[in-house]
Amino acid sequence: DTGVSQNPRHKITKRGQNVTFRCDPISEHNRLYWYRQTLGQGPEFLTYFQNEAQLEKSRLLSDRFSAERPKGSFSTLEIQRTEQGDSAMYLCASSDPRRGPYTGELFFGEGSRLTVL
Amino acid sequence: AQKITQTQPGMFVQEKEAVTLDCTYDTSDPSYGLFWYKQPSSGEMIFLIYQGSYDQQNATEGRYSLNFQKARKSANLVISASQLGDSAMYFCAMREGGERRALTFGSGTRLQVQP
Repeated sequence: DTGVSQNPRHKITKRGQNVTFRCDPISEHNRLYWYRQTLGQGPEFLTYFQNEAQLEKSRLLSDRFSAERPKGSFSTLEIQRTEQGDSAMYLCASSDPRRGPYTGELFFGEGSRLTVL
Repeated sequence: AQKITQTQPGMFVQEKEAVTLDCTYDTSDPSYGLFWYKQPSSGEMIFLIYQGSYDQQNATEGRYSLNFQKARKSANLVISASQLGDSAMYFCAMREGGERRALTFGSGTRLQVQP
């Protein structure tokens, strides 16, 4: 069990470019979450998958953001036409289906830091 | 209204002393879970402790305990015998009932342990 893996760890891009982040959850974890964290703030929920189904999307997830989990394993988060306000840490987390709906803690990756110039 | 409120942006504690980090929450759901996470400067979120809304006893995990006062809607984290390695950001989070399974986080408290 290698934990939640995120790539790339750092991404610097120019405004208007597209970026994609990948998350590999802990194997057998069927729940996968994306969060965004800006400096000095707590993580903000973006979206949640159970297996391949995207069950919830935050209002923070504008039309420029899209997330997929095609085979119920890894997930990608794409940001199109990046803006400077998109600069943040993007965190991925997964949770164990054997845990209850309220008790299952999230296991986080180390995050992907995005800087938009 | 904020779902999770952490009113202490920063806290200092002397090494080996105990410290309490405050957290209040707001929900109308009878079923919910409360979590505390630690985020050191490396950035990784580390799960510390969990308390369910129906749990009769306060949760404990090693040096961490959760002072759960349901009527006051508070879930304060108590760290006993602070260590230098406890210096980090601490986040309180809640998972409410219904279909939603995501955690809602507070804004965090930065704890600095002094030698």
